[in-house]
Amino acid sequence: GAVVSQHPSRVICKSGTSVKIECRSLDFQATTMFWYRQFPKQSLMLMATSNEGSKATYEQGVEKDKFLINHASLTLSTLTVTSAHPEDSSFYICSARDRHLGNTIYFGEGSWLTVV
Amino acid sequence: AQSVTQPDIHITVSEGASLELRCNYSYGATPYLFWYVQSPGQGLQLLLKYFSGDTLVQGIKGFEAEFKRSQSSFNLRKPSVHWSDAAEYFCAVMNYGGATNKLIFGTGTLLAVQP
Repeated sequence: GAVVSQHPSRVICKSGTSVKIECRSLDFQATTMFWYRQFPKQSLMLMATSNEGSKATYEQGVEKDKFLINHASLTLSTLTVTSAHPEDSSFYICSARDRHLGNTIYFGEGSWLTVV
Repeated sequence: AQSVTQPDIHITVSEGASLELRCNYSYGATPYLFWYVQSPGQGLQLLLKYFSGDTLVQGIKGFEAEFKRSQSSFNLRKPSVHWSDAAEYFCAVMNYGGATNKLIFGTGTLLAVQP
């Protein structure tokens, strides 16, 4: 199946700093990418939908100024957690929709963020 | 609004036994349905999907799922469970063609496999 790569897989940052997580579709073009957040032993919560070349669409309750999403190319989307706080510590997962297999969505391996 | 319900939070089966994980959805039109599996600390792997056609869908790792419109269900099955199947399983629905094309996930079912 298609491959979606996330980097870094684990990151620790200090409170108040910003951290960027990358999501790449390695063998297909993704016009749409999605960012999820998952708390321990819970389901995935969609944060935002990222469309290549346009602004991301954020879900209700998600702070767009805190979670900056950029989708500059058909294979890369980035999530930047700005001014991170310990409550932002979580597992962040991206997914990408294959534009040629329009209905199939593939997930990355996730990124653990710990804010200390 | 779309929703997905996975009634079983936690299931334990013996290795070699059959498995059925339940999923019910709420959606006005014919949904696009998915099952994903997540190992601890990992991302999600697609097991199978249903878009149209044959209502019995075969997936990877010996899994299958059956779409039953009358019951609004898309239950996941496996005839003989292996210890390596222990993981969290998520059912999801997508409204492809709508405004957002996003996946809505159920709360997940954690599968434990006894030797």
